[in-house]
Amino acid sequence: QITLKESGPALVKPTETLTLTCTFSGFSFTTGAVGVAWVRQPPGKALEWLAFVYWNDQNRFSPSLRSRLAVTRDTSKNQVVLTMTNMGPMDTGTYFCAYELHCNGPICAENSLDKWGQGTLVTVSS
Amino acid sequence: QSVLTQPPSVSGAPGQRVTISCTGSTSNIGAGSDVHWYQQLPGAAPKVLIYTNTNRPSGVPARFSASKSGSSASLAIADLQAEDEATYYCQSYDTFLNVLFGGGTTLTVL
Repeated sequence: QITLKESGPALVKPTETLTLTCTFSGFSFTTGAVGVAWVRQPPGKALEWLAFVYWNDQNRFSPSLRSRLAVTRDTSKNQVVLTMTNMGPMDTGTYFCAYELHCNGPICAENSLDKWGQGTLVTVSS
Repeated sequence: QSVLTQPPSVSGAPGQRVTISCTGSTSNIGAGSDVHWYQQLPGAAPKVLIYTNTNRPSGVPARFSASKSGSSASLAIADLQAEDEATYYCQSYDTFLNVLFGGGTTLTVL
């Protein structure tokens, strides 16, 4: 059974750096061609993709946020860490991590985000 | 403003059928990118409803179906039920493999 859970601060100040951790179980970067995405959702608004990290250590970032984002993996702890610099009030929202099975056997594709964490609400305020 | 355009809201009475459109362009859906659909109940994380254009995960009722044509995709919900009240998102990719979400469509069951 695949589960993911986000953790991190509920409140950050403007200009600070946000660090969120996604801890997962039921899959591994070392045994499967998988990916973990970060998606956020401002209150009452739509989903917005932030970043993707893959089993092969490849990363992708939203073009509009690329300069502020970084992702790292800790394969021994089954964790993915997202950092976002220079936080502002517009970054307030719920941050989700989600699992993608990128390759099913020999077939690789941009697949659906099959499992999501519960999300963690981050408020940016002084 | 989302690159994938969805109607902000749709509504229907119990038992009716509704459709939700997702309009992209030749830079994403029209370029052959697959479309996935998610259902987000109030206060919950999104859940995959349709994957790879037309496929339902196990556990998703057959009342939910989807199609893709050209630069657009469509989600249909038949025999509307009260528990279908949720926000629905389409998701695809652009030619640079950036993930794209639609703006979301809120379904109200009258």
